[in-house]
Amino acid sequence: NAGVTQTPKFQVLKTGQSMTLQCAQDMNHEYMSWYRQDPGMGLRLIHYSVGAGITDQGEVPNGYNVSRSTTEDFPLRLLSAAPSQTSVYFCASSLARVDATGELFFGEGSRLTVL
Amino acid sequence: GESVGLHLPTLSVQEGDNSIINCAYSNSASDYFIWYKQESGKGPQFIIDIRSNMDKRQGQRVTVLLNKTVKHLSLQIAATQPGDSAVYFCAENTGGFKTIFGAGTRLFVKA
Repeated sequence: NAGVTQTPKFQVLKTGQSMTLQCAQDMNHEYMSWYRQDPGMGLRLIHYSVGAGITDQGEVPNGYNVSRSTTEDFPLRLLSAAPSQTSVYFCASSLARVDATGELFFGEGSRLTVL
Repeated sequence: GESVGLHLPTLSVQEGDNSIINCAYSNSASDYFIWYKQESGKGPQFIIDIRSNMDKRQGQRVTVLLNKTVKHLSLQIAATQPGDSAVYFCAENTGGFKTIFGAGTRLFVKA
């Protein structure tokens, strides 16, 4: 199985440009989420979803949009990129069942630089 | 706003010694906790978890201790190996499967 796949792995944007980071998982996980990780720091939750058609804000949602039209895909949209959004972005998924572990499965990350 | 602190706390141990990594969590309502390991250039990987109705759980070479009174978690790694060098994060599930990560600790293992 591929697990969690993120594209692109690297991206450079100019301030004000928009783009979408793609995330797909093939494990039939209900829960999906996006985190950003700045150098030498922990992961901060941007948005998450507990199923198709359901999304919610995390710790740092401003400047980002998400949608969940299918179980498999959870794209993250940057509406108007700013240098403060330079970061490594991780997508993660898990089973959303109370009888399952909450173990998150992570993608390999997307490194975004905004000039 | 942006978090401050550009440097992770660091723990340096000798190969073969035991390591203890500590974590304070913020939400007294959190009912599920996980430790993750992140190697350079990779996403975090699950190590071990514990639910709030337990105070200790053991895995292979790792033990997690939970003290709900002071909202503290620790990860103990027995007989630390060079391959254990990484950044370790605790994470708390605050309900509805939403998972919040702590700041992380960098573990260096000296050969």
